Amino acid sequence: GQQVMQIPQYQHVQEGEDFTTYCNSSTTLSNIQWYKQRPGGHPVFLIQLVKSGEVKKQKRLTFQFGEAKKNSSLHITATQTTDVGTYFCAGALVGTASKLTFGTGTRLQVTL
Amino acid sequence: GAVVSQHPSRVICKSGTSVKIECRSLDFQATTMFWYRQFPKQSLMLMATSNEGSKATYEQGVEKDKFLINHASLTLSTLTVTSAHPEDSSFYICSASPGRELGEQYFGPGTRLTVT
Repeated sequence: GQQVMQIPQYQHVQEGEDFTTYCNSSTTLSNIQWYKQRPGGHPVFLIQLVKSGEVKKQKRLTFQFGEAKKNSSLHITATQTTDVGTYFCAGALVGTASKLTFGTGTRLQVTL
Repeated sequence: GAVVSQHPSRVICKSGTSVKIECRSLDFQATTMFWYRQFPKQSLMLMATSNEGSKATYEQGVEKDKFLINHASLTLSTLTVTSAHPEDSSFYICSASPGRELGEQYFGPGTRLTVT
């Protein structure tokens, strides 16, 4: 079955440092979405990427979708303590409408 | 924004009993809702896709007779864990999509189930 892996599993940075999480799918995706889950909370939608090679920015967050539509990345510039949480990518297979397969997640810890 | 509620937020039940979890879309209609299970510090595993007015579609390895799903209206889906056992203890989260072109899912706050 489809697998979506993320690396690293965990990263601890000091506030102000940059952070990147990488997402790799075993199969080509129709689109990829990114979610953030704070400790004790539920996933919150961040963004969706649809086009091959697409790059989107949200303030300090930059999202990329690979040319082959099998990988993606999320980069946070100058992290803040409010960025703490687990970041999940979630991929939709071609023809599966809104059904998502979640990545393994990357837990980000930010300290002062 | 789209809001999804879940009830109860926490439940403790004895082994062998059944537990019903409700998922509601509060400000939009959802023909499709999704049920996930999440173990501590792990990812979300899709259990089933709940379709309004028809049978749910279960993922491989998920017992449909154990996890009963009913999507009776465009705003309500229920998950019943039947004859619960300690290994069913987990965080159950539902999600729904407003069906917009963007295709994003909005998640409920989750239900922490503990089976003793």
